[in-house]
Amino acid sequence: GDSVTQMEGPVTLSEEAFLTINCTYTATGYPSLFWYVQYPGEGLQLLLKATKADDKGSNKGFEATYRKETTSFHLEKGSVQVSDSAVYFCALSANDYKLSFGAGTTVTVRA
Amino acid sequence: NAGVTQTPKFQVLKTGQSMTLQCAQDMNHNSMYWYRQDPGMGLRLIYYSASEGTTDKGEVPNGYNVSRLNKREFSLRLESAAPSQTSVYFCASRDSAAPQHFGDGTRLSIL
Repeated sequence: GDSVTQMEGPVTLSEEAFLTINCTYTATGYPSLFWYVQYPGEGLQLLLKATKADDKGSNKGFEATYRKETTSFHLEKGSVQVSDSAVYFCALSANDYKLSFGAGTTVTVRA
Repeated sequence: NAGVTQTPKFQVLKTGQSMTLQCAQDMNHNSMYWYRQDPGMGLRLIYYSASEGTTDKGEVPNGYNVSRLNKREFSLRLESAAPSQTSVYFCASRDSAAPQHFGDGTRLSIL
């Protein structure tokens, strides 16, 4: 079945450091890929998405590129801020209705 | 503000008690979902409703029932709560190929 594997955390960084969170997937067909972010005490918010191979999703300084050859969708940000502290989830949708999520990666950015 | 509203936000139950979690969306979305979030396991789909009048099991449906009351509302019922159902529950909705929108969650503890 469809599945997502993402880098285990927690990840602790200093402000202005480079962040990368690895995500790989297994799916039949051509899934859409997503990164969601969850701030403390809140629900999940869509951070970015990519719907086909080689697409790059970007938002708030975060980027991820849909790599079909490596079945990956790694999340990157060049200079993190304290406000980026959150839990990040990689997810895929291989049909019209359901999302499959990774386990989540907790990121803490220290001033 | 438009979005997904979940009630209650917090609840403590005793083993064996019953409970209904409520979810309503005001975005006129066709599809609605219930997930549970547990540490280290990401979000797992309990039930979903692809459209008004239909419901289907997700990954972890045992111990739960759902009702799609109308297009706006999708409730989740625990008939006889067990400690293993202690979790954070999220409702989500979407339309067509758009990403899912999430509520802020219900934090449920079962003693």
